[in-house]
Amino acid sequence: EVQLVESGGRLVRPGGSLRLSCAASGFTFSSYWMHWVRQAPGKGLVWVSRINPDGGSTTYADSVKGRFIISRDNAKKTLSLQMNSLRAEDTAVYYCLPLGVTIFGVGHWGQGTLVTVSS
Amino acid sequence: QSALTQPRSVSGSPGQSVTISCTGTSSNVGGYDYVSWYQQHPGKAPKLVIYDVTRRPSGVPDRFSGSKSGNTASLTISGLQAEDEADYYCCSYGGSYWVFGGGTELTVL
Repeated sequence: EVQLVESGGRLVRPGGSLRLSCAASGFTFSSYWMHWVRQAPGKGLVWVSRINPDGGSTTYADSVKGRFIISRDNAKKTLSLQMNSLRAEDTAVYYCLPLGVTIFGVGHWGQGTLVTVSS
Repeated sequence: QSALTQPRSVSGSPGQSVTISCTGTSSNVGGYDYVSWYQQHPGKAPKLVIYDVTRRPSGVPDRFSGSKSGNTASLTISGLQAEDEADYYCCSYGGSYWVFGGGTELTVL
C-alpha cells in the first residue's frame, strides 16, 4: 500500500524556521519526482517545490524561492522541506506527493501537515 | 507562475453534464500534455481524477473525462451524481514549475 505521511507542522513565529518531513512507503520512492503543495485555510492548492529522483535538481515557486529548501533521502524514503524566514502567508496545510502521475494506476496524497505562522 | 484561470463555480442537476475550463498560456497548458485535475471534498485531501490531459486513474468513473484545446484544458463530468459535488482544481506543468488553477466549486442541484 502506498503511503505518504507528512509531519513537522506546528505553530511558529514570523521569521522562524521549520522542517517538514514526508515518509514514503509502498513504492519505489527513488524513481519519482516529488513535490510539496500547500493549501492555506479556505483557499486553493498552490505548488511549492519539486525535486528530481536523485535529488540533484530542485525548483521552487517564486513565493518561497530563497527561503525554502527541498531535499530527499532515498535510502530512508524521506522527503523534506526546510522552511526559513517564515511569514504569515506561509500558513497552510503542506502535502507531499508525486504530482500529476499515478503509482500502480492511482494518484496518491498524504493527509498533510499544518503549519501556522503567527505571533 | 500566474495561477491558471478557472470559473469560481459551476452547477448542474443530477444526470446532466458539466464542463470546467482551465485557461493558461502557451508556456504551461498549451505547451505540454501534462494537465491534471483534482477533486477535493470538504476537509479531505485532494484526489487525482485526470492526468496527462485525458488519462483516468484506476477507480475513477468514466463519467470523468479531460481534453485540451490550445491554452485551455477542460474537465467534463457526465451523468452528474450527488457525490460529485466538490471543489475541482486543474494543474499544469510549465517547464520549470507547476501551477494550479484557483479552483472551481461544483454544486449538484
